[in-house]
Amino acid sequence: GESVGLHLPTLSVQEGDNSIINCAYSNSASDYFIWYKQESGKGPQFIIDIRSNMDKRQGQRVTVLLNKTVKHLSLQIAATQPGDSAVYFCAENKENSGYSTLTFGKGTMLLVSP
Amino acid sequence: NAGVTQTPKFQVLKTGQSMTLQCAQDMNHEYMSWYRQDPGMGLRLIHYSVGAGITDQGEVPNGYNVSRSTTEDFPLRLLSAAPSQTSVYFCASSYGPRPQGAGEKLFFGSGTQLSVL
Repeated sequence: GESVGLHLPTLSVQEGDNSIINCAYSNSASDYFIWYKQESGKGPQFIIDIRSNMDKRQGQRVTVLLNKTVKHLSLQIAATQPGDSAVYFCAENKENSGYSTLTFGKGTMLLVSP
Repeated sequence: NAGVTQTPKFQVLKTGQSMTLQCAQDMNHEYMSWYRQDPGMGLRLIHYSVGAGITDQGEVPNGYNVSRSTTEDFPLRLLSAAPSQTSVYFCASSYGPRPQGAGEKLFFGSGTQLSVL
């Protein structure tokens, strides 16, 4: 079946390091991808998105890279801070009878040590 | 702005009981959806609605009912609760579904933690 998966369930980094969170997707027809951040006890929060006609998109301290050839998505966080500690989800857009729904990956926990 | 509001935050049910999880948004979003989140499973779509009067099933709809009588509200009903429905439930909304070209960025509520004994 089609799925969105993550390579690493937990990523531990030191404060100030750059973090890279990876995601593999299997639906070659997906044309929109989103990264969400979920802090403990809260709902997911939008970080950044990218459409399939782009390879790279930058936000504030975050960059999303899309490699359609190998169906791979990554989220790069520059100068990681303790406040970045959370679970990060990638999601892909799927069309369903003309309406879109998002399919989420299982998540990667990012732990940032001071 | 309140955004997406879910009530209650916590709920404990006995097997067989019914209840309704409430969700309201004040952003005039057309699209609303319900997800459940289980450890190691990520977020799975239960039901969604692309506008008042229109609902459809997601990935895991069994045991749940929804209705959308207004743009603002999208309640999720558990008809006969089962232990397998123990989970954290999130309601989410966005401006509109595709392919109309509206953004797909979802705004999530803070969740309802449900335990079924």
